[in-house]
Amino acid sequence: DAGITQSPRHKVTETGTPVTLRCHQTENHRYMYWYRQDPGHGLRLIHYSYGVKDTDKGEVSDGYSVSRSKTEDFLLTLESATSSQTSVYFCAISAQYSGGDGYTFGSGTRLTVV
Amino acid sequence: QQQVKQSPQSLIVQKGGIPIINCAYENTAFDYFPWYQQFPGKGPALLIAIRPDVSEKKEGRFTISFNKSAKQFSLHIMDSQPGDSATYFCAASLGSGAGSYQLTFGKGTKLSVIP
Repeated sequence: DAGITQSPRHKVTETGTPVTLRCHQTENHRYMYWYRQDPGHGLRLIHYSYGVKDTDKGEVSDGYSVSRSKTEDFLLTLESATSSQTSVYFCAISAQYSGGDGYTFGSGTRLTVV
Repeated sequence: QQQVKQSPQSLIVQKGGIPIINCAYENTAFDYFPWYQQFPGKGPALLIAIRPDVSEKKEGRFTISFNKSAKQFSLHIMDSQPGDSATYFCAASLGSGAGSYQLTFGKGTKLSVIP
């Protein structure tokens, strides 16, 4: 997806280990978001950022933390991975309030916790 | 908790048919209603969006119908093609105030168009 890159694309990790997912954008958008996608649950917001060092919790934030030290990078950390955090994680960016121009999503990171 | 309820969960139509996906919302302050299309292994992509000051919007074969009084909106795909097979998400967001930059998503509809 143009302007937004997620890494890694796939990861398998063991229960109890810390994991960091990276979202990098080249659009200079103010707003960045982390979602998880699970069958039957759709897209659920984990955390979001409205500027450098400005972040807040979403619907399913327990067990996750985020950091944004630069406009272009938004990191999602699972402090101690659990099997319930096996999911596909999407980062999204938007330039305007209310996502008025829509969100642009990355291609996702498939995380498996064993 | 803001909610957007989407139905059906899955839908199978024959090529040329007109699949219809419905969404209902609760918060009358929502003022932006986009639809996203997601192909397997890809992130969702904005397909079409509407604001509540219009009742219908068309872009190519895709149409959003919006019923403000019923708090419902729907996506119609005219002359559906196998290439339209994907998961579709409706969403809604607030125009101002706290949380105005957050989209609330429906749970998705998996559409299969059979040749």
